[in-house]
Amino acid sequence: RKEVEQDPGPFNVPEGATVAFNCTYSNSASQSFFWYRQDCRKEPKLLMSVYSSGNEDGRFTAQLNRASQYISLLIRDSKLSDSATYLCVVNEQEYGQNFVFGPGTRLSVLP
Amino acid sequence: DADVTQTPRNRITKTGKRIMLECSQTKGHDRMYWYRQDPGLGLRLIYYSFDVKDINKGEISDGYSVSRQAQAKFSLSLESAIPNQTALYFCATSDLNVGQSYTGELFFGEGSRLTVL
Repeated sequence: RKEVEQDPGPFNVPEGATVAFNCTYSNSASQSFFWYRQDCRKEPKLLMSVYSSGNEDGRFTAQLNRASQYISLLIRDSKLSDSATYLCVVNEQEYGQNFVFGPGTRLSVLP
Repeated sequence: DADVTQTPRNRITKTGKRIMLECSQTKGHDRMYWYRQDPGLGLRLIYYSFDVKDINKGEISDGYSVSRQAQAKFSLSLESAIPNQTALYFCATSDLNVGQSYTGELFFGEGSRLTVL
């Protein structure tokens, strides 16, 4: 079983749509959680960290459910510029090194 | 200029050749990493280093070696390249320093695309 799993995608949505990505992780001791964005043939960049209380950054909302070992990312009012692959990343150690990456979910926002 | 710079950006080589990928950073971070990315598999950790001369194996270190001779530089070597090492390689740094706040963010270079024929 993969340590971090994501919706396989791709997601093709029209501009203005709301889209949700799901991610599950297998290590219940995982400490911190992130969503990264990766444009085609580019490096990943941090989109947002995910906190237990949930957090929002503009049109983006991230949720964490530790009991279910589940992370989500909601994008409201999708823009063409949101087209990218979204990577779920879990750090299994608080100050250590074990960033585990999910395979990513590709999003295409269509005009 | 990018804070994390990788060279070369693209390389085509033949089976059995020795290849070195270089990474340098101007962020002043102690921690540096090498990942490879293959379609559908996500990024996988090859090696990481928490300080000069500190080397740690990651998930897929076989066939690779690294060198950390300076805080700002972390190089990855393929001693004898094979076709299944064809991939996109990323160097990254992170901002954990003792006594400072930790965001957990990884900062990536632009990637080195390696093709082994």
